[in-house]
Amino acid sequence: KQEVTQIPAALSVPEGENLVLNCSFTDSAIYNLQWFRQDPGKGLTSLLLIQSSQREQTSGRLNASLDKSSGRSTLYIAASQPGDSATYLCAVTGNTGNQFYFGTGTSLTVIP
Amino acid sequence: DAGITQSPRHKVTETGTPVTLRCHQTENHRYMYWYRQDPGHGLRLIHYSYGVKDTDKGEVSDGYSVSRSKTEDFLLTLESATSSQTSVYFCAIKPGPQLSLDTQYFGPGTRLTVL
Repeated sequence: KQEVTQIPAALSVPEGENLVLNCSFTDSAIYNLQWFRQDPGKGLTSLLLIQSSQREQTSGRLNASLDKSSGRSTLYIAASQPGDSATYLCAVTGNTGNQFYFGTGTSLTVIP
Repeated sequence: DAGITQSPRHKVTETGTPVTLRCHQTENHRYMYWYRQDPGHGLRLIHYSYGVKDTDKGEVSDGYSVSRSKTEDFLLTLESATSSQTSVYFCAIKPGPQLSLDTQYFGPGTRLTVL
């Protein structure tokens, strides 16, 4: 069974700092990996999707990398802003393409 | 939000009563999913559907049933609610069919409390 772990569980940084969120998974046989953002009391919003054959994806100040062989992904946020405060979750898609396995998330607070 | 609505958004019920949650989409996407989110567990898949009347179990399906009689609606039923089913329930859709390129789009969630 795929296990997805996110470290740290919570992170607090001053505005403007660059930061890295980590995601690890136990089974490297994945189709893709996604990073989501969740604001309090809201649903999830997809940020980046990395196909299993790719190494990284970028969107604005966000960069996600994938090392499938080692079962790791990182989400890099450049020049953090208070509006980035949210919970960030990673999810991997299993072999069938229909089983999504989520981590428990990293709660990020960016202090003005 | 990819045209996904969930109803009700909040519900309080008593142990032993039946509960049905509804997910409605406006885009006619093939794949629909029900998750529950609990502290310390993240999101866990309950059931999913890959077409009308085509459904399959997820990781935590015990105590739940689903039905999909129309493309746009995916219903989650708790036949006899228990306190352990107190949770936030999210519906999601996946456009498909290119597995490696698809993402999921989530509804706003339903907060269910079973007393």
